[in-house]
Amino acid sequence: QKEVEQNSGPLSVPEGAIASLNCTYSDRGSQSFFWYRQYSGKSPELIMFIYSNGDKEDGRFTAQLNKASQYVSLLIRDSQPSDSATYLCAARLSAGDKIIFGKGTRLHILP
Amino acid sequence: GAVVSQHPSWVICKSGTSVKIECRSLDFQATTMFWYRQFPKQSLMLMATSNEGSKATYEQGVEKDKFLINHASLTLSTLTVTSAHPEDSSFYICSAEGGSGPLHFGNGTRLTVT
Repeated sequence: QKEVEQNSGPLSVPEGAIASLNCTYSDRGSQSFFWYRQYSGKSPELIMFIYSNGDKEDGRFTAQLNKASQYVSLLIRDSQPSDSATYLCAARLSAGDKIIFGKGTRLHILP
Repeated sequence: GAVVSQHPSWVICKSGTSVKIECRSLDFQATTMFWYRQFPKQSLMLMATSNEGSKATYEQGVEKDKFLINHASLTLSTLTVTSAHPEDSSFYICSAEGGSGPLHFGNGTRLTVT
C-alpha cells in the first residue's frame, strides 16, 4: 500500500516565524513530490514541486527532499496569517501515474 | 499557464436526477485527468483516472456505472453522477496534467442532492 504520511496538526506558528511541514512516503520508487495548499471549501493549489534531492526555493517557500530517508518537507519563512490553510504533501512514481496524497497538515499562523 | 476550468462551481439537484461536471484544460493538452471527491474536513479521495480516448480507471469502491467519466479530447473530461442521492453530496474536484509536469486542479464543484 503506497502511502504518504503527514501529521494532521493543527500546527500553530507565530506570525513572522518559520513554519516547518513534514511528510514521509512509503514507495521508494517515487520520483516526483508536490506541496499543495488548500483553503477551507476551496480546491488545492500547487505551491511547489521537487524532483531532486536537496532544497528548492521559491520566494518564502523552500521544499526539501531526502530520498534516502523518504522524507519531504516544506518551510515557510516569514509566516503570514494568509498562510493559514491545510497543506497537502503528494508523491507519484512517474508522469501519468496517480498522485498519492497525504491527509494534510492544518497550519494556523497566530497574528 | 496551466489553467484548469471546472463547471459548474456548484449545483443543487433532486434525488434521482443526473448531474454532469465538466473539466477543461485551457492552455495545455491534458493527457491524463483525475477526478477526486472530498467530504467536509476529510482528505481528497481519488475516484478515477481518465486518459484521452480510453476508458477511465476507477479506484476500488467507486461505482463506474454511477460515476460516468468521458475524456473525449485532450482538453475536456466530464464526470456524470447518475441517479444522484443525498449521500453523493460532496465537493468534486478534477485535475489535469499535460505530461511530466505537476497536477493542476480545477476550482471544484460543490454538489448538493436534495
